[in-house]
This record gives sequence, C-alpha cells and structure tokens, in this order.
Amino acid sequence: AQSVTQPDIHITVSEGASLELRCNYSYGATPYLFWYVQSPGQGLQLLLKYFSGDTLVQGIKGFEAEFKRSQSSFNLRKPSVHWSDAAEYFCAVGDPYTGGFKTIFGAGTRLFVKA
Amino acid sequence: EAGVTQFPSHSVIEKGQTVTLRCDPISGHDNLYWYRRVMGKEIKFLLHFVKESKQDESGMPNNRFLAERTGGTYSTLKVQPAELEDSGVYFCASSQDASNYGYTFGSGTRLTVV
Repeated sequence: AQSVTQPDIHITVSEGASLELRCNYSYGATPYLFWYVQSPGQGLQLLLKYFSGDTLVQGIKGFEAEFKRSQSSFNLRKPSVHWSDAAEYFCAVGDPYTGGFKTIFGAGTRLFVKA
Repeated sequence: EAGVTQFPSHSVIEKGQTVTLRCDPISGHDNLYWYRRVMGKEIKFLLHFVKESKQDESGMPNNRFLAERTGGTYSTLKVQPAELEDSGVYFCASSQDASNYGYTFGSGTRLTVV
C-alpha cells in the first residue's frame, strides 16, 4: 500500500537559515508527488508538484523539492527561511495508475521560525 | 474567483448528536473531495464526487457518515450519531480536472465531539 513518511514532527530554524523538510514515500512505481503548506486558519495550499521530467522542481514562495528515485524521497528545501514560512507542511503522493485520483498525505511537519 | 468555502469553521457537539458539514466548491469544478485529519495524524481521503455522483467513497470510515452532493454543486457531510473518535479537521477540496490533482482546498471544519 502507498504511504508517505515525514520523519520530523516539528522543526525549528532561525530566520534566514536554510531549511530542508524530509519526505519518503512507499509506492511501486513513480507516483505524482506534492508538497502542501497550511498556515493557521488557512486551507492547504499547493507549493509544488512533480509528475515527471526534471527531478528538481521549483515551487511558489521560493521553495524547491528534489525527487530521488533511489531513495524514494522528495525533500522540500528553501535557502533562506522567512518568519512567514512558519506553518505546517505536508508531503503527499497521488496514484495516477489506479484511478480515483485520491491523494495520500504524510502526517505533516510543523515549522517554527525563530528570530 | 471565490475559493472553496466550508462551514462551520468550528463545531462542538456532544457524543450521539448529529452534525452536518457543508462545502461549497469553486464554481464549475465538477470534482469535489472530502478529507479528514484526526488527532494531528495524516490527512486521509474520505470520498470523491464527480458532479453529483460518488466516484470513490472507499475512505468513508463507517455508515455513520453520509455525504451528498445534490445537483452537483455544494456538498454536505453528515455524521450521525457522532462519536468521540470523529473529532478532527474535515477538509473539502475541489478541482476542474481530477487527473492533474489540481486541488483547491477549503480551510476546513474543526469538529470536536465531547
């Protein structure tokens, strides 16, 4: 069965420091991969997605993610974190082969940003 | 354009009561999804409507949950009777094309059953 693991429940970084949020997935083929962010009181917002092609994907708000097939990973990165990036981040996979188009989410990583 | 609207934003009910959550998708979006996040765990799929038809309801936890989408516009999710383990955040999402996963999510309804 497909699954998504986000090993870090929460992470604290200093403003201006770099960020990497980890994500590993379990799937028999190459899934569609996503990162979402949820700020307080807001809905989930799509940061970026990977379907195929270039394994380094650029997203909104200065985020990027790299798909590594050999490691079944899709880690999210940002070179310099801003205080407004404090939120909860969800990695997710979609199964394009079995139909239904549902998305499987990880448990989320909450990011705290300190001044 | 207006986004996906969910209400209420919060609901506190007693065990055994009934609660109905509502989702208004983006106008013109045929695909509507319900997801749920319980106790800070994973966000889990509940079901997927295409217009008024249930395309996939494999994630519905049991028969206490009933989702409807009459006329293919807004959707309701009724929990009857509510149990303590139903507490969580219920998200709705809509999309025009299901195959590219271009969801727009609502801000969710936080349900607390006491």
